[in-house]
Amino acid sequence: ETGVTQTPRHLVMGMTNKKSLKCEQHLGHNAMYWYKQSAKKPLELMFVYSLEERVENNSVPSRFSPECPNSSHLFLHLHTLQPEDSALYLCASSQERGGLWGTEAFFGQGTRLTVV
Amino acid sequence: AQSVTQLGSHVSVSEGALVLLRCNYSSSVPPYLFWYVQYPNQGLQLLLKYTTGATLVKGINGFEAEFKKSETSFHLTKPSAHMSDAAEYFCAVSPPGGFKTIFGAGTRLFVKA
Repeated sequence: ETGVTQTPRHLVMGMTNKKSLKCEQHLGHNAMYWYKQSAKKPLELMFVYSLEERVENNSVPSRFSPECPNSSHLFLHLHTLQPEDSALYLCASSQERGGLWGTEAFFGQGTRLTVV
Repeated sequence: AQSVTQLGSHVSVSEGALVLLRCNYSSSVPPYLFWYVQYPNQGLQLLLKYTTGATLVKGINGFEAEFKKSETSFHLTKPSAHMSDAAEYFCAVSPPGGFKTIFGAGTRLFVKA
């Protein structure tokens, strides 16, 4: 496996379900991100982890819960979602050096989530 | 605060014609600038980036972009469009030392035969 891998690629869930999205990066990067991509909206940064510690949470509803057990894996736990949460969820990673952020991010293919 | 504006949510060109996708940014410090491409049902892929140095940046698939500080622009060009270039293109800006990359709303490129 190379790059950033996301599973599953597609997910349909009911509003009362609990599910998790998984992201794995094989690039040796030390930062990982969750983005939400909705139709006709700019890409929204949800969470940022650096060295497994969360450094950013853009006021995301608590029904989204991230987990970063190590620098290669990132999860997004979902529960009691709403139909408006239907979107493409993208994971990304980057290598930040000595606090110098701003390098390019490498993206996974995304999970297409539909909440019914 | 930083922001990115991509002019035109849709651009249509004929195969073989020049591709020009416009991006303007605002930033209080000289930013890092990126162009990403997204094909249907895929994630974003980096096309090119500007950090420091030469203002004309060459990327993959024959694309290039020029950083113009005076115009706060970073337009993406390709001399001759191919059908395979049809995709959505995102301009992004990131402050050196800051982790928050801001993405533009995207421009969908259509290529006509």
